[in-house]
Amino acid sequence: SAVISQKPSRDICQRGTSLTIQCQVDSQVTMMFWYRQQPGQSLTLIATANQGSEATYESGFVIDKFPISRPNLTFSTLTVSNMSPEDSSIYLCSVERANEQFFGPGTRLTVL
Amino acid sequence: AQSVTQLGSHVSVSEGALVLLRCNYSSSVPPYLFWYVQYPNQGLQLLLKYTSAATLVKGINGFEAEFKKSETSFHLTKPSAHMSDAAEYFCAVSDTGRRALTFGSGTRLQVQP
Repeated sequence: SAVISQKPSRDICQRGTSLTIQCQVDSQVTMMFWYRQQPGQSLTLIATANQGSEATYESGFVIDKFPISRPNLTFSTLTVSNMSPEDSSIYLCSVERANEQFFGPGTRLTVL
Repeated sequence: AQSVTQLGSHVSVSEGALVLLRCNYSSSVPPYLFWYVQYPNQGLQLLLKYTSAATLVKGINGFEAEFKKSETSFHLTKPSAHMSDAAEYFCAVSDTGRRALTFGSGTRLQVQP
């Protein structure tokens, strides 16, 4: 299994500001993933983050809006930039191990 | 491209009744299939997974799912619903080429006393 922590667990932010979400894994992993869950909706993949290379973004998500860092094999950050109320969601990181994905507890973001 | 369809955004059953949550997938390569549960204000918990071994997969909390390639289905069942099963259930697919998950839209299960 994998133990994943995220900080912050929740935040309320003003529009136009940015928030950086941290994801820490208890052991080294090659790939980390960032998902978004909008209110009442399913999960959508934002990007895949590999250590030592640029993150790969899904259609509809761009680096300027969601910059990602992956400085080592146990840590990643996702920044939500220039926020608007439409960015209000739960943001989750996950890792894959033995053909199974483990999810962090999520960061609940509200943008006013 | 992979996709997952969950039929029924809301399912309501009586306590003790059979639970059946439907999931159909499309994938150009042999898939890995998963069911996750999300309780209110909590994170995702893996119920069970299919990774090309046995087609009938048993998971936690008495749930099981059967992989049917001919029907491209992976429906989730539980013989007898319990009040504590009330939650949102997500079906998801991945494959060896694309390690990330593609999720279905989710099914909210209500259990009536």
